Formats: sequence, structure tokens, C-alpha cells
Amino acid sequence: QLQLQESGPGLVKPSETLSLTCTVSGGSISSSSYYWGWIRQPPGKGLEWIGSIYYSGSTYYNPSLKSRVTISVDTSKNQFSLKLSSVTAADTAVYYCARSNAAYDILTGRSAYYFDYWGQGTLVTVSS
Amino acid sequence: SSELTQDPAVSVALGQTVRITCQGDSLRSYYASWYQQKPGQAPVLVIYGKNNRPSGIPDRFSGSSSGNTASLTITGAQAEDEADYYCNSRDSSGNHLEVFGTGTKVTVL
Repeated sequence: QLQLQESGPGLVKPSETLSLTCTVSGGSISSSSYYWGWIRQPPGKGLEWIGSIYYSGSTYYNPSLKSRVTISVDTSKNQFSLKLSSVTAADTAVYYCARSNAAYDILTGRSAYYFDYWGQGTLVTVSS
Repeated sequence: SSELTQDPAVSVALGQTVRITCQGDSLRSYYASWYQQKPGQAPVLVIYGKNNRPSGIPDRFSGSSSGNTASLTITGAQAEDEADYYCNSRDSSGNHLEVFGTGTKVTVL
């Protein structure tokens, strides 16, 4: 059974860089079938996609966060990481890592992209 | 980027049927996926693609799509189905961007 686990500081000071790591177990992050993503959820609010990475290192970021986000992958450790710079209180959230999968419907020619495995999430608070 | 709009809240009587909708331009190109989230827990995938359920998801959950609208239907809602539900799809720009819906709180009466 695939498992994902987020780790990193739970408290970050304003203007500093938030750093989190997601460790994948029970499967290889180097599989060509999947992307790996970060999603966050501010307290009491909805889900926001931060970005995704392929094992080769190709990255895709939410345009609203792109200038501050870096996602990287370490296949030797079966991990991928998130860095979010210049944080403010608005970045306080539960941060989730997840596996992104895809399915193609031959009959309709349409694709589906979905996050099928999620970590438990980690709360990061931005405060001095 | 695309947006996915959901009704903020719906209620359903125990054992009855409820439909949750998700609207957005990207849904003309991609199927939506649906997630259930209970308080203090990570989201759980309940529907993906045309109408596919991951292993362990009860068959009272089903999905459908028409035009720019995707729907999640719970047929015979149970007390344990009370949760927040989010839709998700690729952005219609084709740039591998993802978008989540605004979320719907389902209350089982």
C-alpha cells in the first residue's frame, strides 16, 4: 500500500522560507506513470493546488504562487520537496502531498487527472 | 486559469439522494475527480474519470458529466457521508495546471 508522509517545521517566521519534504513508501517515485503534487488548505478554507513534479524533474506551478515556489525530487531517497519563500500569515495552512494519476477514456477521448493517494497533512503556521 | 464552482452547502435526509455539482470551462475538456474530506482528515478520492470508484468506496457514490458541469451523486446517503466534497480537474489551458472546486458541505439530516 502506497503511503506518503509530510515532514518539516510546523512554525515559520514571516519573510522566511517554508520547507517541507514528502517521503513516499510502498512504491517508487520514479514510476513513469505518475506526477507528485503539493496541495494546501488554510484553516476553515478550501483546497489549493500548489504544484506538481515528475520524477524527471519537470515541474508545474500554480500561477498565483509560481514566483515563490520550488518543488524538487530526490529519487534516491524516494522523496519530493516543497520550498515556499517570503511567507506571510496567509501561507498558514495544512500542507498535503499527494500522488497524481491519470486515466484516458478511449470512447470519449477525454482524460481524467486525479490525486489518488494523500499524506495525512502537516500544519504550518507562519508567525513571529 | 480556470475556476470550478460548487454550491457552498447542501443537505439531505438520511437514506435519500443528493447531487453535488461542479461547474467550469475545463470540464468540457477533462473529467472531474471528487474528494470527500471529513474534519481533521486528509481528502479521500471517491470518484474519478467518467464514473470510476477507487477500491473501498461504496457504490452509492456515482459521477456524471454534461457540458461544463460535473456531478457527484450519493444515492441513499448515510450519516457517515456528512463531509466536505471537492471537485478537481486539469486547467483547460493544457499547461498541466490543476484546479480545485470551492467545496460543498453536505449535511445528512
